Amino acid sequence: AQSVTQLGSHVSVSEGALVLLRCNYSSSVPPYLFWYVQYPNQGLQLLLKYTSAATLVKGINGFEAEFKKSETSFHLTKPSAHMSDAAEYFCAVSEGTGNQFYFGTGTSLTVIP
Amino acid sequence: GAVVSQHPSRVICKSGTSVKIECRSLDFQATTMFWYRQFPKQSLMLMATSNEGSKATYEQGVEKDKFLINHASLTLSTLTVTSAHPEDSSFYICSAGSGVSNSPLHFGNGTRLTVT
Repeated sequence: AQSVTQLGSHVSVSEGALVLLRCNYSSSVPPYLFWYVQYPNQGLQLLLKYTSAATLVKGINGFEAEFKKSETSFHLTKPSAHMSDAAEYFCAVSEGTGNQFYFGTGTSLTVIP
Repeated sequence: GAVVSQHPSRVICKSGTSVKIECRSLDFQATTMFWYRQFPKQSLMLMATSNEGSKATYEQGVEKDKFLINHASLTLSTLTVTSAHPEDSSFYICSAGSGVSNSPLHFGNGTRLTVT
């Protein structure tokens, strides 16, 4: 069975500081991993995805994530936070056929001016 | 990129009435569509999975007679909340997938349902 754990339901960073949002997964097979961002009263927008190619994945808005199999992690980072990054972030894993996704509980990112 | 259109974005209805929410994939064929419910400050809760031309698969605890899902074509799925009650008030989100295992889901912008 798949599961996704996002450590830290709330993260606050100063504008310009490093953003680190944590995601760990459990999977019995090589997973496909995704990060989504959700702004208030909107759906989810894909930030980036890992699909067994390069372990360091670059996404939109300056975000990137690194797949570490030994740590079963897929943490999301951004070198310098911007006010517009304030949102809810979800990590998701897909095991394979049928596009069945499993979401983490989400991390709310606050950027302090 | 792939676009999923969800309509309406907001709806207010009276208790006892039914509400239909549409989810359309605009530029790709969605073999599978998912319906989620999201409570404030919480993650998405999968309600059901629908494949074109077949009955939806509901998650445990979701009343299939209350939340009617139809996936009549490869570009359209609908969720009908029947005999709505105030406790059905929530944010409903659809997503669509092409069925390829490593392709991302594409999400609609959600529907805020308020039942008075």
